Amino acid sequence: DAGVIQSPRHEVTEMGQEVTLRCKPISGHDYLFWYRQTMMRGLELLIYFNNNVPIDDSGMPEDRFSAKMPNASFSTLKIQPSEPRDSAVYFCASSWDTANTEAFFGQGTRLTVV
Amino acid sequence: AQSVTQLGSHVSVSEGALVLLRCNYSSSVPPYLFWYVQYPNQGLQLLLKYTSAATLVKGINGFEAEFKKSETSFHLTKPSAHMSDAAEYFCAVRGTGFQKLVFGTGTRLLVSP
Repeated sequence: DAGVIQSPRHEVTEMGQEVTLRCKPISGHDYLFWYRQTMMRGLELLIYFNNNVPIDDSGMPEDRFSAKMPNASFSTLKIQPSEPRDSAVYFCASSWDTANTEAFFGQGTRLTVV
Repeated sequence: AQSVTQLGSHVSVSEGALVLLRCNYSSSVPPYLFWYVQYPNQGLQLLLKYTSAATLVKGINGFEAEFKKSETSFHLTKPSAHMSDAAEYFCAVRGTGFQKLVFGTGTRLLVSP
């Protein structure tokens, strides 16, 4: 398997624009996680899905953020409208449905909102 | 709720010296504990994990960690640092029945020649 695949790797957008980040989890994994990493706040869990169903979105900062998982092999994280403070690295991760297994991370998307 | 605390945002060692990165956990249930490493501009990569099979866990790149329930600790060690070990290290916990990983704030390891 190629691992967790995220696209794009880098995104630069203007404030107010819509941004869509994409993730393809490892085939067979039941859980998908979206994390955000910043210098100030470290690694934050935004939302996670189990079998395509959102389980916990308490980490989503505002209504401007939304995430979907239309099928087992694809998820999106959308920010609309984007703001400079959304600039961060966004990671997608996936795992099997057992507590003793690790999450596998993608390479991340570095988002810069100017 | 599960949580982890990593002591020291930065640790500096000389090449060849012992590496010790500290992690203490809080969990109301027997925890599963993980150490991840992040190299610049990359995602997080698993170093090792504790899943109750053995208290001393060996991972990749010569790292190991010991689970100590009495101290609620899971410190990461390596006998001899290498320049390539310079990276950020994250401790994480997942409680039984809870699928999300909770990460510590990370420790940046600096290795000098």
